[in-house]
Amino acid sequence: GAGVSQSPRYKVAKRGQDVALRCDPISGHVSLFWYQQALGQGPEFLTYFQNEAQLDKSGLPSDRFFAERPEGSVSTLKIQRTQQEDSAVYLCASSPRTGSEQFFGPGTRLTVL
Amino acid sequence: QKEVEQDPGPLSVPEGAIVSLNCTYSNSAFQYFMWYRQYSRKGPELLMYTYSSGNKEDGRFTAQVDKSSKYISLFIRDSQPSDSATYLCAMEKDYKLSFGAGTTVTVRA
Repeated sequence: GAGVSQSPRYKVAKRGQDVALRCDPISGHVSLFWYQQALGQGPEFLTYFQNEAQLDKSGLPSDRFFAERPEGSVSTLKIQRTQQEDSAVYLCASSPRTGSEQFFGPGTRLTVL
Repeated sequence: QKEVEQDPGPLSVPEGAIVSLNCTYSNSAFQYFMWYRQYSRKGPELLMYTYSSGNKEDGRFTAQVDKSSKYISLFIRDSQPSDSATYLCAMEKDYKLSFGAGTTVTVRA
């Protein structure tokens, strides 16, 4: 079956623009995660959803970052007024239940000029 | 200090060699231990998933966990050029994964 998909794969934004990154998890997966991966580093946790409920947003770097999953499937990560330090790969992962393995999408590479 | 430290590499080995990758951690509350492989411009792909001390083998891959020393390792036997990638260790506590920085491995044909 299809894995986790993300779109767009690449995004270039001018500093100050708003961006929206989309994640389509594996069908039926309850849990959804967003991670940020800076160049040469491992992914860092941003936020966690169980169905439509955002249970943990402790990793979001600032209030410019906002995530939603209104119907418990597709999720969107929105970054307002992008800054150069937001340049990174944004990874989405899903898992069938809490505590089971997480399956990652290919990521969206965001470059802020 | 980061919760998870990974030997930085990079590593370059000849085809057929054994690759040894290591991570240490400081948080004794971690419950699950994983190794992911990440090819360039791709998402991480789970290789090994363990929760107890000891060894777990899957084909050419062996994962080792030593909870008393807070140390995990991944061994790749009979390495192939297709094993060239970045390897990330990861540890889970309450659904949240904490990753090492990754070790880039190149297997020379």
